[in-house]
Amino acid sequence: SQQGEEDPQALSIQEGENATMNCSYKTSINNLQWYRQNSGRGLVHLILIRSNEREKHSGRLRVTLDTSKKSSSLLITASRAADTASYFCATDASVSPQKLVFGQGTRLTINP
Amino acid sequence: DAGITQSPRHKVTETGTPVTLRCHQTENHRYMYWYRQDPGHGLRLIHYSYGVKDTDKGEVSDGYSVSRSKTEDFLLTLESATSSQTSVYFCAISELGPNTEAFFGQGTRLTVV
Repeated sequence: SQQGEEDPQALSIQEGENATMNCSYKTSINNLQWYRQNSGRGLVHLILIRSNEREKHSGRLRVTLDTSKKSSSLLITASRAADTASYFCATDASVSPQKLVFGQGTRLTINP
Repeated sequence: DAGITQSPRHKVTETGTPVTLRCHQTENHRYMYWYRQDPGHGLRLIHYSYGVKDTDKGEVSDGYSVSRSKTEDFLLTLESATSSQTSVYFCAISELGPNTEAFFGQGTRLTVV
């Protein structure tokens, strides 16, 4: 079974609004990453947060990590049409630290 | 863009035939991964490699084998293709494994008829 589970599976918002996506995972981790995938393309790395970090920012992206709840969230502020994509979280697992395992993703649609 | 190339980009094959997909990198990264992507399942890890001749199974390894005889090449073989292996296959590379970002190839769309 997959380590990460994203929620919601699909999200549709208006341009300019903020978008929040959540990721829950099952086992202890060392790192958690977020990726974006535009339709028909490979995944692109957005941000990496380590298990000893609680929050990280990159431009309009804000990622939080709560290891006690085994969950992370990705916030995209002031969304743009170009943010329309699928977003995935990915984790290692402390029992298998060399694996990089992805969740099922959230499909984000930004409406103009 | 990271130097990672998948070949072929598209392939149609018949049930029961062997198929080999190639992932080639020019970044000298230690880690290489093969994933499959299917609707409703996200990306699922098939096999991965953490060095030349060092490989291990992922979540959905049945029916697949891999080889890595050189740092730059990671081959995925479907020993006897089945219709359930129709999918989009992605290769990814990473310098130090899950501690660092992964770079993805553009994918191979495989159809087994």
